[in-house]
Amino acid sequence: RKEVEQDPGPFNVPEGATVAFNCTYSNSASQSFFWYRQDCRKEPKLLMSVYSSGNEDGRFTAQLNRASQYISLLIRDSKLSDSATYLCVARKGGGNKLTFGTGTQLKVEL
Amino acid sequence: NAGVTQTPKFQVLKTGQSMTLQCAQDMNHEYMSWYRQDPGMGLRLIHYSVGAGITDQGEVPNGYNVSRSTTEDFPLRLLSAAPSQTSVYFCASRTGSGTGGEKLFFGSGTQLSVL
Repeated sequence: RKEVEQDPGPFNVPEGATVAFNCTYSNSASQSFFWYRQDCRKEPKLLMSVYSSGNEDGRFTAQLNRASQYISLLIRDSKLSDSATYLCVARKGGGNKLTFGTGTQLKVEL
Repeated sequence: NAGVTQTPKFQVLKTGQSMTLQCAQDMNHEYMSWYRQDPGMGLRLIHYSVGAGITDQGEVPNGYNVSRSTTEDFPLRLLSAAPSQTSVYFCASRTGSGTGGEKLFFGSGTQLSVL
């Protein structure tokens, strides 16, 4: 079993829709979590960190459920420019190694 | 502000050849790392460094060497290229800790093909 698992998608949604991605992690020692965004043939970029209390940044909301070992990303009012692959990332304690999921592809359509 | 600069962008090698992928950052980051990205596998850590003179292995270190003689540079060496090393390689850096310490800055990637 992969340490961080994501549904690869693609999720095809109309512009303006709300879409949610889940990501599960298997290592209970994982302490920190992040969502990165990767555009086609580009480098990943940090979208947001995920805090235990949940956090929101504009149209994006991230939540962490430690009991069930999953994190989620909710995107409201989807834009065409949101089309990308979203990578779920976990880090153990203060360690230096990040574990990346394989990514969920989102396609926002007119 | 250049950030993380990675060269070359594309490279084709023959099996058995050696080469070095260059990575430089101008943000005075303590932590630097190399990842490879393969379809269906996600980004996997090859080697990383927490400061000049300090390197450590990641998840998939075999066939690769690194050194960190300065804070700015972290080259990745392929000793004897194999087709299994065909991949997209990313260099990334971040501050050691504290505010902003969680954010990885990636280079633009190197598409490597080994024939």
